Amino acid sequence: DQQVKQNSPSLSVQEGRISILNCDYTNSMFDYFLWYKKYPAEGPTFLISISSIKDKNEDGRFTVFLNKSAKHLSLHIVPSQPGDSAVYFCAAASNSGNTPLVFGKGTRLSVIA
Amino acid sequence: DGGITQSPKYLFRKEGQNVTLSCEQNLNHDAMYWYRQDPGQGLRLIYYSQIVNDFQKGDIAEGYSVSREKKESFPLTVTSAQKNPTAFYLCASSIRPLGTEAFFGQGTRLTVV
Repeated sequence: DQQVKQNSPSLSVQEGRISILNCDYTNSMFDYFLWYKKYPAEGPTFLISISSIKDKNEDGRFTVFLNKSAKHLSLHIVPSQPGDSAVYFCAAASNSGNTPLVFGKGTRLSVIA
Repeated sequence: DGGITQSPKYLFRKEGQNVTLSCEQNLNHDAMYWYRQDPGQGLRLIYYSQIVNDFQKGDIAEGYSVSREKKESFPLTVTSAQKNPTAFYLCASSIRPLGTEAFFGQGTRLTVV
């Protein structure tokens, strides 16, 4: 049973517009959430994270929002750039439950110039 | 400079042979992980290690084995018992065990023919 779900396998966005990538989780023990970016044949690189004590974290063009009651988080990229085209993975972990990172299946973002 | 090194980047093996994938880190991280990526499957955890001489099975450990004799090294052996070994394998490490961001190597693409 998938604990972290990314229901959109792909997303296309025009350059300069906002990209919104969504992620849902089922395990209420998760208290730390991360987004990774991955290019083909490379390892994922860490983008941004958020702890369950916050509902928003911002880093430059990237903002992650967390809605604990809905068990939902989203990554906003503004403005989107062609170099943002990659697969984005949502991941979750539990400090209290001692679980390693659990990843979603990823969303492929294409930013069209 | 610090990082995680996986070698080789591409590996070919005949069916029925065991093969060992190398993972070395010089980040002084306590925890290390092995994930497997298949198309449309995201990243699935094979094994993880929180400290030297200790490791735990992940979600898909069958047909794999690991060792953690040194803090810097966490090799993964893909045995002949693994039914579908062809995949992209990713090694990662984190500064402390669990509940924190992990840093990934560049991956090893294993093809079994």
